[in-house]
Amino acid sequence: GAGVSQSPRYKVAKRGQDVALRCDPISGHVSLFWYQQALGQGPEFLTYFQNEAQLDKSGLPSDRFFAERPEGSVSTLKIQRTQQEDSAVYLCASSPRQGVDEQFFGPGTRLTVL
Amino acid sequence: AQSVSQHNHHVILSEAASLELGCNYSYGGTVNLFWYVQYPGQHLQLLLKYFSGDPLVKGIKGFEAEFIKSKFSFNLRKPSVQWSDTAEYFCAVNPGDSNYQLIWGAGTKLIIKP
Repeated sequence: GAGVSQSPRYKVAKRGQDVALRCDPISGHVSLFWYQQALGQGPEFLTYFQNEAQLDKSGLPSDRFFAERPEGSVSTLKIQRTQQEDSAVYLCASSPRQGVDEQFFGPGTRLTVL
Repeated sequence: AQSVSQHNHHVILSEAASLELGCNYSYGGTVNLFWYVQYPGQHLQLLLKYFSGDPLVKGIKGFEAEFIKSKFSFNLRKPSVQWSDTAEYFCAVNPGDSNYQLIWGAGTKLIIKP
């Protein structure tokens, strides 16, 4: 079956623009995670969904970041008024069960803010 | 703050050499431990995990890791590497007081010379 997909794969935005990043998890997966990965670093947790419920958004760096998963499948990470420090790879991962277990990652979206 | 340290950012080995990649974490309670790998051009994927039981964990492709609680370590090992092991390796720790958050190391880029 299909793995986790993300779109777009690359996004260039001018500072101040809004962007929306999409994640299609593996069908039936309960858990969905968003991570931010800066160059040369490991992923950093942003937010976690269990089905449609956003159980933890403590990793979102500012109120410009917003994530949703309205029907418990596809998720969108939105960044308003992008800043240069938002430049990173945004990774989405899904897991078939609640909580910590093997996560299946997408290819990521590389966001560059000019 | 909780952190995960991977001591070597770059490792270069010849084929058939033995491998050990270090991972130390700074959380004193119960932990769940993971190693993920990212092969060139591919997504992050799980290599192995430790939740409980035997502290010596075996993963895919001949990799193993040993959890040493007294040293807060979870080092990754392979007795004889192959060129196809060229990849970036990430250690990740789930503190036991969170059901789903992972704290990631910065990664180790491993290059195997043929």
